[in-house]
Amino acid sequence: QQQVKQSPQSLIVQKGGISIINCAYENTAFDYFPWYQQFPGKGPALLIAIRPDVSEKKEGRFTISFNKSAKQFSLHIMDSQPGDSATYFCAARSRGSQGNLIFGKGTKLSVKP
Amino acid sequence: KAGVTQTPRYLIKTRGQQVTLSCSPISGHRSVSWYQQTPGQGLQFLFEYFSETQRNKGNFPGRFSGRQFSNSRSEMNVSTLELGDSALYLCASSSLPVNTEAFFGQGTRLTVV
Repeated sequence: QQQVKQSPQSLIVQKGGISIINCAYENTAFDYFPWYQQFPGKGPALLIAIRPDVSEKKEGRFTISFNKSAKQFSLHIMDSQPGDSATYFCAARSRGSQGNLIFGKGTKLSVKP
Repeated sequence: KAGVTQTPRYLIKTRGQQVTLSCSPISGHRSVSWYQQTPGQGLQFLFEYFSETQRNKGNFPGRFSGRQFSNSRSEMNVSTLELGDSALYLCASSSLPVNTEAFFGQGTRLTVV
């Protein structure tokens, strides 16, 4: 049972463009939503995270938009650069003792120069 | 501040053997979680330890086990290896187990032949 659905599976964007990755969830117990960036041969690196009490969080070129009623959240990468080419994972964690992260399947982003 | 350290980085084992992987969390972090990453299944939660106690376990067979020591270092063991156990095994550390940022190591690439 996939609790976090991520799309698209792959994405090609021109340098300077906006990359948008979407995730949807069903479990209303989720209350922490991080995004991870993973380069080949490396572990996932925490990029940015949001909690459902805010609708948007921005850190540099990276923005999370969160829609609690639709149970959707998305990552926007502004002014995309070739160095942003990586696989991006959304994740969710539920409150309480079941604190493991549930990951989406990932989006492979390629930014063309 | 040193990050999460996983050893070894690469392992090749034969079917039927057992393997032990090690994870040293970020200094001061007491929660360690383990994940299996494969191309087909993505990132899947194995188990989580906090203060030497297993708090949560994913849906993996009993061949997968782990433990945590008093210095927060953790090990995971896989017995009777199968070809399907070939994966990248990732360790993540957090200061606390619930609703805090999780930081991943670079992983151990296990190949079962």
